[in-house]
Amino acid sequence: AQTVTQSQPEMSVQEAETVTLSCTYDTSESNYYLFWYKQPPSRQMILVIRQEAYKQQNATENRFSVNFQKAAKSFSLKISDSQLGDTAMYFCAFMKGYGGSQGNLIFGKGTKLSVKP
Amino acid sequence: DTGVSQNPRHKITKRGQNVTFRCDPISEHNRLYWYRQTLGQGPEFLTYFQNEAQLEKSRLLSDRFSAERPKGSFSTLEIQRTEQGDSAMYLCASSPFLGAYNSPLHFGNGTRLTVT
Repeated sequence: AQTVTQSQPEMSVQEAETVTLSCTYDTSESNYYLFWYKQPPSRQMILVIRQEAYKQQNATENRFSVNFQKAAKSFSLKISDSQLGDTAMYFCAFMKGYGGSQGNLIFGKGTKLSVKP
Repeated sequence: DTGVSQNPRHKITKRGQNVTFRCDPISEHNRLYWYRQTLGQGPEFLTYFQNEAQLEKSRLLSDRFSAERPKGSFSTLEIQRTEQGDSAMYLCASSPFLGAYNSPLHFGNGTRLTVT
């Protein structure tokens, strides 16, 4: 069975600074996908960034980038130039890459990020 | 694209009662998913549909839970004989089927269920 672990329940960062959120996962699958989702207070969850396991190059989306270490089963999220609107719960998620479980995202418990002015 | 819509936003019910939630996905998204999120936890997968076919169900989906998507458009999730442990946020999401990686899920705002 797959598991996703986010070891930082809460974090805070000053506006304009950089913060890194940690995520580790456990799987025996060779083909899978990893995601970071953001859930702002009282708003719906939205996709921040995604990574295919077979791609060695780390994904980047504007101020968001990941550090994907496949051997270590680590998938951390770096937010550069933090903005007040980045305040949210951040969830790391895993999905098998084939077979029937293509809707079954396995989420971690989340990290609550607060960006302070 | 008006987003995924869920109704009601909040539902308070007494233990033992039946409840039904509705989800309207983004139009033309043929995949629809139900997740449950309890306090302090990430969402947990319950089930998903491709068009009207229910393709996968989690073991979390006990016999008291049933989901339908009769015409491949909106979906309903019914919980019979509710228990206090059913209290949670129920999230619906939809996606087009463009392959697992290219079909990120679009989530609704959820229905918060409180069982008293």
